[in-house]
Amino acid sequence: DSGVTQTPKHLITATGQRVTLRCSPRSGDLSVYWYQQSLDQGLQFLIQYYNGEERAKGNILERFSAQQFPDLHSELNLSSLELGDSALYFCASSPSDLGRQPQHFGDGTRLSIL
Amino acid sequence: AQKVTQAQTEISVVEKEDVTLDCVYETRDTTYYLFWYKQPPSGELVFLIRRNSFDEQNEISGRYSWNFQKSTSSFNFTITASQVVDSAVYFCALIGEFGNEKLTFGTGTRLTIIP
Repeated sequence: DSGVTQTPKHLITATGQRVTLRCSPRSGDLSVYWYQQSLDQGLQFLIQYYNGEERAKGNILERFSAQQFPDLHSELNLSSLELGDSALYFCASSPSDLGRQPQHFGDGTRLSIL
Repeated sequence: AQKVTQAQTEISVVEKEDVTLDCVYETRDTTYYLFWYKQPPSGELVFLIRRNSFDEQNEISGRYSWNFQKSTSSFNFTITASQVVDSAVYFCALIGEFGNEKLTFGTGTRLTIIP
C-alpha cells in the first residue's frame, strides 16, 4: 500500500460528459502529480501541484483541469469527454517539489468512455 | 529533451532463470535521477529504486540488482532466480534536477515468468 488513495477505482461514462477524479496524497506529502496511462501514449505526465499551487504542466488537454485543496487532496476534472480519453489515470505524491524524491502512486482510476 | 528507451517490449523466461531489463536514457542535465517502477497485473505502480547521476555503484536488493553505467547512459535491472510473482510491466523513468521536473517514463517491458 503506497498510502496514496484514489477514488473511484472505476468510472464508466459517455462522450460529452464530465467527471472528477479524486486523490489523497500520502500523509505529509505536499506534491501531487497526475498521469494518464493509455495503450497508445504510455504513461504521460499531466500536471503537478505543490502545496496548493500549480508547479508543472505536461501534456494536459484544455478540457482537463486540476486543483489541490488546502487539505492537500487533489481533483482532476475531465470535461467534454471523448472516446480517446479512456485510460488509467494515476495520482502520485512526494514530500516536496524536488524531482529527486520518488513519487508514490495510487492504484489509479480506470476511466471508460462509451 | 529527456528520453527513456526500453527496447524490450516483452520478455518471457522460465521460472528460476535470470533476466535483465534494459533501459537507455538521454538527458542534457548534469544532475538527474533514474527510477524503476513495477506495474503488476493488478495495475498499481510500485516504486522499486532511485539512482542519482553521481552514484554509479551497483545496487542489490534481494533478487533484484541494478547496473548504472553513465558511459553508456544505461540503467539496467536484473532479476535473479525469477519467480512467477515477478510477472509485471517494468518501467524505467528519468527526471532532471533543474529545469525539467517532469518524470519521463519509458514505454515499459512486459515480463512474463513461465512456471
